Amino acid sequence: EDKVVQSPLSLVVHEGDTVTLNCSYEVTNFRSLLWYKQEKKAPTFLFMLTSSGIEKKSGRLSSILDKKELFSILNITATQTGDSAVYLCAPSGGSYIPTFGRGTSLIVHP
Amino acid sequence: ETGVTQSPTHLIKTRGQQVTLRCSSQSGHNTVSWYQQALGQGPQFIFQYYREEENGRGNFPPRFSGLQFPNYSSELNVNALELDDSALYLCASSLRLAGAYEQYFGPGTRLTVT
Repeated sequence: EDKVVQSPLSLVVHEGDTVTLNCSYEVTNFRSLLWYKQEKKAPTFLFMLTSSGIEKKSGRLSSILDKKELFSILNITATQTGDSAVYLCAPSGGSYIPTFGRGTSLIVHP
Repeated sequence: ETGVTQSPTHLIKTRGQQVTLRCSSQSGHNTVSWYQQALGQGPQFIFQYYREEENGRGNFPPRFSGLQFPNYSSELNVNALELDDSALYLCASSLRLAGAYEQYFGPGTRLTVT
């Protein structure tokens, strides 16, 4: 059975702080890992990672994958209140069916 | 907004009843996936439809069934509702396999079973 563990489960920071969110996984025949941001209802796509060591960046967000150690991290620099959300990671295996973690709840105070 | 729509937005049903949820995929996408998200949990994959055929199923009983239509819209049907079926039901559309391509999620249907 595929497993995903995200840590921490929750995080409270102040604007301007940098945060690192972790995702470790056990997936048979790994294919990809996706990160999503969920503010109210619909998760929104952030990154798709398939190769180790290649950092993906989008503004203040970046993510990297380590296929040897089976984890991924999502970094957010200079956090803003609009970054407050639940961040979900979802690796997928040979069947390409994503397995979502419980998410990390990030609260950014002004 | 992603262009994926779901209806209804909220629904209250009684245990034992049946429910149908609907989803319209983003233009150009031929794959629709359905997820169940309980409070405080990540979305759990129910099943995926590609070109009107079920193409992958999660660990859900047969009373969860679905359809995809020629225009790639989709329905999720749940029979014999149980209290534990109360959750947010999300659909997501993609160009192809859910784990291989970006998925665009709809706003969800909040189902409450009493």
